Amino acid sequence: QVQLRESGPGLVKPSETLSLTCAVSGYSITAGYYWGWIRQPPRKGLEWIGSIFHSGSTYFNPSFNGRVTISVDTSKDQYSLKLTSVTAADTAVYYCARHPIVARFEYWGQGIQVTVSS
Amino acid sequence: EIVLTQSPGTLSLSPGERATLSCRASQSVSSSYLTWYQQKPGQAPRLLIYGASSRATGIPDRFSGSGSGTDFTLTISRLEPEDFAVYYCQQYGSSPMYTFGQGTKLEIK
Repeated sequence: QVQLRESGPGLVKPSETLSLTCAVSGYSITAGYYWGWIRQPPRKGLEWIGSIFHSGSTYFNPSFNGRVTISVDTSKDQYSLKLTSVTAADTAVYYCARHPIVARFEYWGQGIQVTVSS
Repeated sequence: EIVLTQSPGTLSLSPGERATLSCRASQSVSSSYLTWYQQKPGQAPRLLIYGASSRATGIPDRFSGSGSGTDFTLTISRLEPEDFAVYYCQQYGSSPMYTFGQGTKLEIK
């Protein structure tokens, strides 16, 4: 059974970098699929941030204006998100999820709350 | 960027009733790339329908999806107490890019 679990700091200071990791179990990242990050601000909807393939190819939501980096560590079956220059608007629950290149996010992590505050 | 608009924002119904949720796209969307999710408080979204009309594994047959082009519908034939939640539609577009609708809250009347 495919499982994903997010980890990282729950509190980040404004202007700093948000760093999260998603650990995958029950499936090898190198076996295929894309691995994405989605976030949900408080009382709001879902926003796709970006995704990565095991080869390292990435693509991002242009609304993040180059602030996003996603990397993969195939030896550990995990991948990571870095979001730079954060502001209060980046406060959200961050989810990792597996998906085919086209459409549906099939498996989701439980989500991790990240608050940006001094 | 394709914008998805869901209606209504909130739908108040009773168990046993039929629910019809709408998702309208600002441009034509391939049916293959239209997906529906259910989200309950404190939980991650759950995949319900993909390819506009295919139920995901384990999803009861009271859930159905339909539509094409710019208009898509999620129907729940007979509401069960556990169906009251927020529902999101999502599309895959070129670039690639994934966008979600703003959600429809299905609440108990």
